[in-house]
Amino acid sequence: AQKITQTQPGMFVQEKEAVTLDCTYDTSDPSYGLFWYKQPSSGEMIFLIYQGSYDQQNATEGRYSLNFQKARKSANLVISASQLGDSAMYFCARAGNQFYFGTGTSLTVIP
Amino acid sequence: KAGVTQTPRYLIKTRGQQVTLSCSPISGHRSVSWYQQTPGQGLQFLFEYFSETQRNKGNFPGRFSGRQFSNSRSEMNVSTLELGDSALYLCASRLLAGGQETQYFGPGTRLLVL
Repeated sequence: AQKITQTQPGMFVQEKEAVTLDCTYDTSDPSYGLFWYKQPSSGEMIFLIYQGSYDQQNATEGRYSLNFQKARKSANLVISASQLGDSAMYFCARAGNQFYFGTGTSLTVIP
Repeated sequence: KAGVTQTPRYLIKTRGQQVTLSCSPISGHRSVSWYQQTPGQGLQFLFEYFSETQRNKGNFPGRFSGRQFSNSRSEMNVSTLELGDSALYLCASRLLAGGQETQYFGPGTRLLVL
Protein backbone atom coordinates (compact mmCIF):
# COMPACT_ATOMS: atom_id res chain seq x y z
CA ALA A 1 0.00 0.00 0.00
CA GLN A 2 1.13 3.53 -0.68
CA LYS A 3 -1.15 5.31 1.72
CA ILE A 4 -0.71 8.76 3.20
CA THR A 5 -2.72 9.43 6.32
CA GLN A 6 -3.61 12.81 7.72
CA THR A 7 -5.78 12.21 10.75
CA GLN A 8 -6.71 15.83 11.48
CA PRO A 9 -9.48 17.04 9.16
CA GLY A 10 -9.46 20.46 10.82
CA MET A 11 -7.18 22.35 13.16
CA PHE A 12 -7.38 25.72 14.89
CA VAL A 13 -4.42 27.70 16.15
CA GLN A 14 -4.08 31.08 17.78
CA GLU A 15 -2.15 33.67 15.83
CA LYS A 16 1.59 33.67 16.72
CA GLU A 17 1.38 30.17 18.20
CA ALA A 18 3.00 27.06 16.73
CA VAL A 19 0.97 24.20 15.27
CA THR A 20 1.81 20.64 14.22
CA LEU A 21 0.00 18.93 11.37
CA ASP A 22 0.29 15.16 11.42
CA CYS A 23 1.18 12.88 8.54
CA THR A 24 1.99 9.19 8.44
CA TYR A 25 2.84 7.19 5.37
CA ASP A 26 3.17 3.62 4.28
CA THR A 27 5.85 2.50 1.88
CA SER A 28 8.21 -0.37 1.21
CA ASP A 29 10.53 1.74 -0.94
CA PRO A 30 14.01 2.17 0.55
CA SER A 31 14.29 5.70 -0.83
CA TYR A 32 11.52 8.25 -1.08
CA GLY A 33 10.68 11.90 -0.73
CA LEU A 34 8.08 13.55 1.43
CA PHE A 35 6.39 16.86 0.68
CA TRP A 36 4.02 19.32 2.23
CA TYR A 37 1.83 21.62 0.18
CA LYS A 38 -0.45 24.49 1.15
CA GLN A 39 -3.66 25.09 -0.76
CA PRO A 40 -5.43 28.37 -0.03
CA SER A 41 -8.98 28.97 -1.17
CA SER A 42 -7.69 30.15 -4.56
CA GLY A 43 -6.89 26.51 -5.33
CA GLU A 44 -3.21 26.72 -6.16
CA MET A 45 -1.01 24.09 -4.53
CA ILE A 46 2.00 25.82 -3.00
CA PHE A 47 5.13 23.80 -2.28
CA LEU A 48 6.27 24.28 1.31
CA ILE A 49 8.94 21.78 2.24
CA TYR A 50 10.68 18.58 1.15
CA GLN A 51 12.33 15.79 3.15
CA GLY A 52 14.36 13.01 1.58
CA SER A 53 14.23 9.67 3.34
CA TYR A 54 18.03 9.57 3.65
CA ASP A 55 18.40 13.12 4.89
CA GLN A 56 20.04 13.13 8.30
CA GLN A 57 18.49 16.36 9.44
CA ASN A 58 14.90 17.49 9.52
CA ALA A 59 14.07 19.93 6.73
CA THR A 60 13.37 23.56 7.53
CA GLU A 61 12.09 26.39 5.34
CA GLY A 62 11.52 29.63 7.17
CA ARG A 63 8.64 29.12 9.60
CA TYR A 64 8.06 25.58 8.32
CA SER A 65 9.89 22.55 9.63
CA LEU A 66 9.32 18.88 9.07
CA ASN A 67 9.52 16.53 12.04
CA PHE A 68 10.68 13.38 10.27
CA GLN A 69 10.61 10.12 12.24
CA LYS A 70 11.56 7.44 9.76
CA ALA A 71 11.04 4.45 12.03
CA ARG A 72 7.51 5.62 12.77
CA LYS A 73 6.92 6.59 9.13
CA SER A 74 5.86 9.98 10.29
CA ALA A 75 6.46 13.37 8.65
CA ASN A 76 4.70 16.04 10.65
CA LEU A 77 4.70 19.68 9.56
CA VAL A 78 5.41 22.28 12.20
CA ILE A 79 4.42 25.87 11.52
CA SER A 80 5.89 28.32 13.96
CA ALA A 81 4.50 31.77 14.76
CA SER A 82 1.24 31.21 12.86
CA GLN A 83 -0.08 34.06 10.75
CA LEU A 84 -3.60 34.73 9.50
CA GLY A 85 -2.39 34.00 5.99
CA ASP A 86 -1.53 30.45 7.04
CA SER A 87 -5.23 29.57 7.03
CA ALA A 88 -5.53 27.00 4.24
CA MET A 89 -5.66 23.29 3.46
CA TYR A 90 -2.39 21.46 3.97
CA PHE A 91 -1.51 18.28 2.13
CA CYS A 92 1.19 15.77 2.87
CA ALA A 93 2.50 13.80 -0.10
CA ARG A 94 5.00 11.08 -0.87
CA ALA A 95 6.84 10.77 -4.14
CA GLY A 96 6.92 7.45 -5.89
CA ASN A 97 5.93 6.42 -9.40
CA GLN A 98 3.28 9.01 -8.82
CA PHE A 99 2.62 11.41 -6.03
CA TYR A 100 0.45 10.02 -3.25
CA PHE A 101 -1.49 12.65 -1.33
CA GLY A 102 -3.22 12.61 2.00
CA THR A 103 -6.76 13.87 2.46
CA GLY A 104 -5.54 17.17 3.86
CA THR A 105 -5.89 19.18 7.04
CA SER A 106 -7.80 22.44 7.11
CA LEU A 107 -5.94 24.94 9.28
CA THR A 108 -7.66 28.03 10.63
CA VAL A 109 -5.60 30.71 12.34
CA ILE A 110 -7.59 32.66 14.89
CA PRO A 111 -6.69 36.32 15.54
CA LYS B 1 12.29 31.39 -13.71
CA ALA B 2 8.60 31.25 -14.64
CA GLY B 3 6.38 28.83 -12.78
CA VAL B 4 3.96 26.27 -14.09
CA THR B 5 1.24 27.83 -16.21
CA GLN B 6 -2.16 26.42 -17.01
CA THR B 7 -4.77 27.60 -19.46
CA PRO B 8 -7.57 28.28 -19.32
CA ARG B 9 -8.11 29.09 -15.66
CA TYR B 10 -11.87 28.62 -15.79
CA LEU B 11 -14.07 26.69 -18.14
CA ILE B 12 -17.77 25.94 -18.41
CA LYS B 13 -18.92 23.11 -20.64
CA THR B 14 -22.04 21.05 -21.09
CA ARG B 15 -22.47 17.30 -20.86
CA GLY B 16 -21.25 15.44 -23.91
CA GLN B 17 -18.79 18.10 -24.99
CA GLN B 18 -15.06 17.66 -24.93
CA VAL B 19 -12.40 19.87 -23.41
CA THR B 20 -8.66 20.39 -23.77
CA LEU B 21 -6.54 21.83 -20.98
CA SER B 22 -2.99 23.03 -21.42
CA CYS B 23 0.00 23.06 -19.10
CA SER B 24 3.46 24.52 -19.55
CA PRO B 25 6.00 23.23 -17.03
CA ILE B 26 8.88 25.08 -15.46
CA SER B 27 11.73 25.48 -17.91
CA GLY B 28 13.98 22.45 -17.75
CA HIS B 29 11.36 20.19 -16.18
CA ARG B 30 10.55 17.30 -18.48
CA SER B 31 7.96 15.57 -16.34
CA VAL B 32 4.37 16.79 -16.25
CA SER B 33 1.67 15.22 -14.11
CA TRP B 34 -2.05 15.86 -14.07
CA TYR B 35 -4.37 15.61 -11.09
CA GLN B 36 -8.09 15.93 -10.57
CA GLN B 37 -9.31 17.43 -7.33
CA THR B 38 -12.91 17.21 -6.16
CA PRO B 39 -14.43 17.73 -2.71
CA GLY B 40 -15.58 14.13 -2.58
CA GLN B 41 -12.56 12.29 -3.95
CA GLY B 42 -9.73 14.62 -3.02
CA LEU B 43 -6.61 14.71 -5.17
CA GLN B 44 -6.44 11.94 -7.69
CA PHE B 45 -3.57 11.23 -10.05
CA LEU B 46 -4.50 11.14 -13.73
CA PHE B 47 -1.24 10.54 -15.57
CA GLU B 48 2.36 11.60 -15.93
CA TYR B 49 4.28 12.38 -19.08
CA PHE B 50 8.03 12.41 -19.43
CA SER B 51 9.84 13.23 -22.66
CA GLU B 52 6.62 12.92 -24.67
CA THR B 53 5.82 9.45 -23.27
CA GLN B 54 3.16 8.54 -20.77
CA ARG B 55 5.09 7.15 -17.85
CA ASN B 56 2.35 6.47 -15.31
CA LYS B 57 -1.40 6.39 -15.39
CA GLY B 58 -4.03 6.60 -12.69
CA ASN B 59 -7.35 4.85 -12.53
CA PHE B 60 -9.45 6.98 -14.84
CA PRO B 61 -11.58 5.97 -17.83
CA GLY B 62 -10.31 6.28 -21.37
CA ARG B 63 -12.23 9.51 -21.82
CA PHE B 64 -9.30 11.14 -20.09
CA SER B 65 -6.22 11.34 -22.27
CA GLY B 66 -3.15 13.43 -22.57
CA ARG B 67 -0.06 14.12 -24.52
CA GLN B 68 3.21 15.95 -24.23
CA PHE B 69 5.03 17.90 -26.87
CA SER B 70 8.73 18.16 -27.59
CA ASN B 71 8.92 21.43 -25.64
CA SER B 72 7.48 19.59 -22.59
CA ARG B 73 4.16 21.40 -22.77
CA SER B 74 1.31 19.03 -22.07
CA GLU B 75 -2.36 18.87 -22.91
CA MET B 76 -5.10 16.92 -21.25
CA ASN B 77 -8.30 16.06 -23.07
CA VAL B 78 -11.58 14.89 -21.65
CA SER B 79 -14.14 13.64 -24.11
CA THR B 80 -17.89 13.14 -23.62
CA LEU B 81 -17.96 15.23 -20.48
CA GLU B 82 -20.05 14.10 -17.53
CA LEU B 83 -21.34 16.15 -14.61
CA GLY B 84 -18.88 14.33 -12.35
CA ASP B 85 -15.96 15.69 -14.34
CA SER B 86 -16.51 19.07 -12.72
CA ALA B 87 -13.33 19.60 -10.76
CA LEU B 88 -10.13 21.51 -10.32
CA TYR B 89 -7.52 20.09 -12.67
CA LEU B 90 -3.99 20.62 -11.50
CA CYS B 91 -0.85 20.22 -13.51
CA ALA B 92 2.56 19.78 -11.92
CA SER B 93 6.07 19.75 -13.24
CA ARG B 94 8.56 17.49 -11.58
CA LEU B 95 12.32 17.42 -11.44
CA LEU B 96 14.76 15.06 -9.81
CA ALA B 97 18.20 16.60 -9.50
CA GLY B 98 21.07 16.07 -7.12
CA GLY B 99 19.11 13.54 -5.13
CA GLN B 100 16.38 16.04 -4.39
CA GLU B 101 12.96 15.92 -5.93
CA THR B 102 10.70 18.86 -6.52
CA GLN B 103 7.20 19.07 -7.84
CA TYR B 104 5.57 22.42 -8.44
CA PHE B 105 1.95 22.94 -9.31
CA GLY B 106 0.24 25.34 -11.63
CA PRO B 107 -2.74 27.46 -10.58
CA GLY B 108 -5.19 24.90 -11.91
CA THR B 109 -8.12 24.93 -14.29
CA ARG B 110 -11.59 24.95 -12.76
CA LEU B 111 -13.94 22.99 -15.00
CA LEU B 112 -17.67 23.15 -14.52
CA VAL B 113 -19.83 20.75 -16.49
CA LEU B 114 -23.50 21.68 -16.76
